[in-house]
Amino acid sequence: AQTVTQSQPEMSVQEAETVTLSCTYDTSESDYYLFWYKQPPSRQMILVIRQEAYKQQNATENRFSVNFQKAAKSFSLKISDSQLGDAAMYFCAFSHQGAQKLVFGQGTRLTINP
Amino acid sequence: DAGITQSPRHKVTETGTPVTLRCHQTENHRYMYWYRQDPGHGLRLIHYSYGVKDTDKGEVSDGYSVSRSKTEDFLLTLESATSSQTSVYFCAISELDRFSYEQYFGPGTRLTVT
Repeated sequence: AQTVTQSQPEMSVQEAETVTLSCTYDTSESDYYLFWYKQPPSRQMILVIRQEAYKQQNATENRFSVNFQKAAKSFSLKISDSQLGDAAMYFCAFSHQGAQKLVFGQGTRLTINP
Repeated sequence: DAGITQSPRHKVTETGTPVTLRCHQTENHRYMYWYRQDPGHGLRLIHYSYGVKDTDKGEVSDGYSVSRSKTEDFLLTLESATSSQTSVYFCAISELDRFSYEQYFGPGTRLTVT
């Protein structure tokens, strides 16, 4: 069974600094997808970024980028120039090709200090 | 934003009463999901649907049933609510094509069982 682990229950960063959130996963599949979701206090789950395992290039969306290390089964999220609006719970999620569901990590609560 | 609504958004009910939560989508996506979110557990899949009248169990399905009679509606029923079912419930949708494995989430329903 696939598992996703986020080892940092909480993180904090100064506004305008860079922070990296960690995620590791366990799978025997070779074709899969990885995601980071953001959940602000409004509770809405928002897709931040996705990565296809067959792509070697790390995904980037504006200030958000990932470091995808397939051999190490690691998928970290880097937030550059942190803003107060980035404060939220962040969830890492995994799905393999052919699966019909996502597996989520436990989440990391990110606090932005002004 | 994906067109997903959940009703009710908040509900307080007593132990032993039946409860039905509704998820409605306007995206015509094939797949629909029900999750529950509890502190320390991230999101856990309750049930999902891969088409009208086609459903399957997730990892925490005990005490829950679902129905999908139309593409746009997915109902989650707690036949006899218990205090352990106090949680935030999220509906999600997905198309699961080769380039789109992500899920899009509704705003959530906070259910309290007293």
